[in-house]
Amino acid sequence: EDQVTQSPEALRLQEGESSSLNCSYTVSGLRGLFWYRQDPGKGPEFLFTLYSAGEEKEKERLKATLTKKESFLHITAPKPEDSATYLCAALSGGGSEKLVFGKGTKLTVNP
Amino acid sequence: KAGVTQTPRYLIKTRGQQVTLSCSPISGHRSVSWYQQTPGQGLQFLFEYFSETQRNKGNFPGRFSGRQFSNSRSEMNVSTLELGDSALYLCASSPGVGSGAFFGQGTRLTVV
Repeated sequence: EDQVTQSPEALRLQEGESSSLNCSYTVSGLRGLFWYRQDPGKGPEFLFTLYSAGEEKEKERLKATLTKKESFLHITAPKPEDSATYLCAALSGGGSEKLVFGKGTKLTVNP
Repeated sequence: KAGVTQTPRYLIKTRGQQVTLSCSPISGHRSVSWYQQTPGQGLQFLFEYFSETQRNKGNFPGRFSGRQFSNSRSEMNVSTLELGDSALYLCASSPGVGSGAFFGQGTRLTVV
């Protein structure tokens, strides 16, 4: 069964304190690994897609990387506005667009 | 380009009633998926429609159903509502080529 596990469940950082979020996956025939950001009461906002091991994507203070078993979301010098829940999702083999989600990491950045 | 639109944003229903939620995908997207989000279970896949056909279904009871129209708009229906159906229901659309899904703001359903 396809599975995605995120750690830690919650993370508190001081503004400017860099860190990484982990997403480990067990998926047959990975077609893509996706990162989303979700603010309270809103739908997930698409951040990145990674397709193959070794791939990296960057956007402002965020950088996502992918290996054969896990993905990392690195946050460099975070700001309070980066506070949100970050979700990781895997798209497995087959013709469907079904995403398997982890339960997320709730990030709080204190000023 | 307009995003994914879900209506209504909020709903309060009584146990035993039925409810229909609506989703308009991004123009040109033919795949529409539905997810249920609860604090305990996170985001769980309900079903996916592509070109009016259900292509995949999650592990939910038959009370949960959906359909897709020829213009790619989709509806999901929940019959005989239970208290445990209270959740944020999210619709996502995709071009259908493994490029990821784009989500709407969700419908917050509360069953009392």
